[in-house]
Amino acid sequence: DTAVSQTPKYLVTQMGNDKSIKCEQNLGHDTMYWYKQDSKKFLKIMFSYNNKELIINETVPNRFSPKSPDKAHLNLHINSLELGDSAVYFCASSPLGVNGHEQYFGPGTRLTVT
Amino acid sequence: AQTVTQSQPEMSVQEAETVTLSCTYDTSESDYYLFWYKQPPSRQMILVIRQEAYKQQNATENRFSVNFQKAAKSFSLKISDSQLGDAAMYFCAYRLYSGTYKYIFGTGTRLKVLA
Repeated sequence: DTAVSQTPKYLVTQMGNDKSIKCEQNLGHDTMYWYKQDSKKFLKIMFSYNNKELIINETVPNRFSPKSPDKAHLNLHINSLELGDSAVYFCASSPLGVNGHEQYFGPGTRLTVT
Repeated sequence: AQTVTQSQPEMSVQEAETVTLSCTYDTSESDYYLFWYKQPPSRQMILVIRQEAYKQQNATENRFSVNFQKAAKSFSLKISDSQLGDAAMYFCAYRLYSGTYKYIFGTGTRLKVLA
């Protein structure tokens, strides 16, 4: 009964490769997010989608491209991976609008670029 | 722009004692949410407690309670009867009540619980 799931949980790859991380939520939420957590544990928002529409697009290299095929899924594709992309990536979801409060997080994907 | 500041990178507490983690934020808005999240070594982000800014009463959840001072823009977390399982990173977060769906997180406080 996982609320927010991510695959894979671990990803080890070489510089220059392209990889994707998938996220799915079964909470019926309208809004989904991608965060990057660096080695110092700083949590930085990258993107947010509301009902498949991009609503938050922070200063992120355009090698990162989110895709939301439906409101329950938000995937993250990364092209030409670099060493600095190594981090834990979290997917999260929350309800819409004034009824929206806390975010529900996935388990995270630890990406290691060698 | 809204910001969230956690000035304590690390705190320690003896088991069964009480500890308070600090959080301050900066906003010109009057309606917003504040949260404390816990991230244990498993790295799963877990909601600890939530506070709506329009509520004067401080939120409590079992051993966890907050001291919300709206005028001072302060939102501290008190953990009573600390347990070994409370050891984790704690993040303070802010979100506007309406409009933007952006959550802003502090830099975190690592809590160590000493047996």
